[in-house]
Amino acid sequence: NAGVTQTPKFRILKIGQSMTLQCAQDMNHNYMYWYRQDPGMGLKLIYYSVGAGITDKGEVPNGYNVSRSTTEDFPLRLELAAPSQTSVYFCASSSGRLDTQYFGPGTRLTVL
Amino acid sequence: QKEVEQNSGPLSVPEGAIASLNCTYSDRGSQSFFWYRQYSGKSPELIMSIYSNGDKEDGRFTAQLNKASQYVSLLIRDSQPSDSATYLCAVNGARNTDKLIFGTGTRLQVFP
Repeated sequence: NAGVTQTPKFRILKIGQSMTLQCAQDMNHNYMYWYRQDPGMGLKLIYYSVGAGITDKGEVPNGYNVSRSTTEDFPLRLELAAPSQTSVYFCASSSGRLDTQYFGPGTRLTVL
Repeated sequence: QKEVEQNSGPLSVPEGAIASLNCTYSDRGSQSFFWYRQYSGKSPELIMSIYSNGDKEDGRFTAQLNKASQYVSLLIRDSQPSDSATYLCAVNGARNTDKLIFGTGTRLQVFP
């Protein structure tokens, strides 16, 4: 099993550009999450999904969108990149609401 | 009051000593508790999960949960330089059981 995979590993965007961060898991987990982590800070939840077709906002959803058309994939979309979105983005998945979350390797995004 | 609080550290301990990491949480109905380790530039990885009051041991690691006092701790025995990392406490709240709330982490430094 590859676990949770994320692409790309690094990306530099110009202000106003858009991009999609990809996340996939092969553990047949229903629950998937997107977090951002700013330097020296903890993880902030952006969006999460409890199953295909179901998504919900987390703590910091503004400026992002998600979709969950399959159990395996949970892409995160940035429509108009802003410098405040410079961060490391982690995708995670779990088998249940009280269960361990498994993290992908992260995407380091810089917006200039 | 933050939902999950940790001392940011750094906590410095000599090799071979016991490192004690603490975390308090605000939601009295929280049901599941996790300790993640995060090396610099890497993604969080699970160290321990605990769901019931008391101690849970796994090798050199012991998690302790006290729901009445709303704290959870992680003890690392025989600390090694390879334990140097940031330790994130995460709590699954009763009101939002689909989400984990992360503390900002405690940086541990183990010196030879």
